[in-house]
Amino acid sequence: AQTVTQSQPEMSVQEAETVTLSCTYDTSENNYYLFWYKQPPSRQMILVIRQEAYKQQNATENRFSVNFQKAAKSFSLKISDSQLGDTAMYFCAFMTPNSGNTPLVFGKGTRLSVIA
Amino acid sequence: TAGITQAPTSQILAAGRSMTLRCTQDMRHNAMYWYRQDLGLGLRLIHYSNTAGTTGKGEVPDGYSVSRANTDDFPLTLASAVPSQTSVYFCASKGKRQDGANVLTFGAGSRLTVL
Repeated sequence: AQTVTQSQPEMSVQEAETVTLSCTYDTSENNYYLFWYKQPPSRQMILVIRQEAYKQQNATENRFSVNFQKAAKSFSLKISDSQLGDTAMYFCAFMTPNSGNTPLVFGKGTRLSVIA
Repeated sequence: TAGITQAPTSQILAAGRSMTLRCTQDMRHNAMYWYRQDLGLGLRLIHYSNTAGTTGKGEVPDGYSVSRANTDDFPLTLASAVPSQTSVYFCASKGKRQDGANVLTFGAGSRLTVL
């Protein structure tokens, strides 16, 4: 069974600075997808970024980028130029292509606070 | 706007009462899911449906049931609520984005408090 571990329950960062959220996972699959979801106080789950395991190039979405280390089974999220609106819970998640009854396996989340 | 609609947004329920959380999607996605979110535990899968007419159990199915009579609707029922079912419940569906990527789209969640 796949597992996702987020070892940082809470983090804080000063506005305009850079922060990195850690995520590791365990799987025997070779083909899979990794995600970071953001959950602001509004409770909505928002997809931040997605990485396909067969792609060596790290995904980027504006100020958000990942450091995907397949051999180490690590998938960290870097937020550059942090903004107050980045304050949220962040969940790392894992999915296999034909996942059937295990669509997304989530980590327990990291609560990020951006401080003015 | 295409997406998932959940109802109610919030509900307080007496223990022992039954409750159905509604979920409707307009994206014609085949696969749908119910998760519960609890502090410190992340999101855990309750039940899923890969297509209309089929359902299956996830990680934490006890005390919950689902049905999938058609593609759009996937209600979650608590037959006799207990305080441990106090949680935020998310409905989701899986489909392809325009770039071909398979992603999950989530509803806004339903906060349920069982007293």
